[in-house]
Amino acid sequence: SQQGEEDPQALSIQEGENATMNCSYKTSINNLQWYRQNSGRGLVHLILIRSNEREKHSGRLRVTLDTSKKSSSLLITASRAADTASYFCATDARDYKLSFGAGTTVTVRA
Amino acid sequence: NAGVTQTPKFQVLKTGQSMTLQCAQDMNHEYMSWYRQDPGMGLRLIHYSVGAGITDQGEVPNGYNVSRSTTEDFPLRLLSAAPSQTSVYFCASSYSRFGDYGYTFGSGTRLTVV
Repeated sequence: SQQGEEDPQALSIQEGENATMNCSYKTSINNLQWYRQNSGRGLVHLILIRSNEREKHSGRLRVTLDTSKKSSSLLITASRAADTASYFCATDARDYKLSFGAGTTVTVRA
Repeated sequence: NAGVTQTPKFQVLKTGQSMTLQCAQDMNHEYMSWYRQDPGMGLRLIHYSVGAGITDQGEVPNGYNVSRSTTEDFPLRLLSAAPSQTSVYFCASSYSRFGDYGYTFGSGTRLTVV
């Protein structure tokens, strides 16, 4: 069964705008990871946040984690056409089984 | 180029046929895994390995076998293909089974069973 669920399922924004997507999960985790998948390609690791961290930045990406609410958010600032992709959250419960959600499809309009 | 290599990229099988999807990594990663991706369902774990000679089942293991005779290779075998196994298959690896490391994914194998 899937541990994480992303919201919204799809998001359409104008170039230059920010994109925010959320992930909720069910059980205790060791860390939470975000991945990007371009159409027809494999997944690319974006950022990892540990359970004892609340916020992390990487370039135009900002991830937050609220373990009390079992939720995380990914913010992409100043979006570009190249950010058009599906984004997945994945949870690591230290059981060797990284569990993925169904993803958020982001379309950035020029 | 360092990374995870999957072959073939595309495959069409007839129901009942068997085949092996190949996965190789050259990063000396300890952990390797196989996922399948179906529309609207994200990725589901089929099998994983925490080191050479050690494998275990994931969420959807039925109809698939794996082995890990070397650190580099982790092939996935379909024993008797069924239309329900039509999917995109991804192999992934990680530096260690312990600690906080992201996964490196291959580019996938798109399998159709007719």
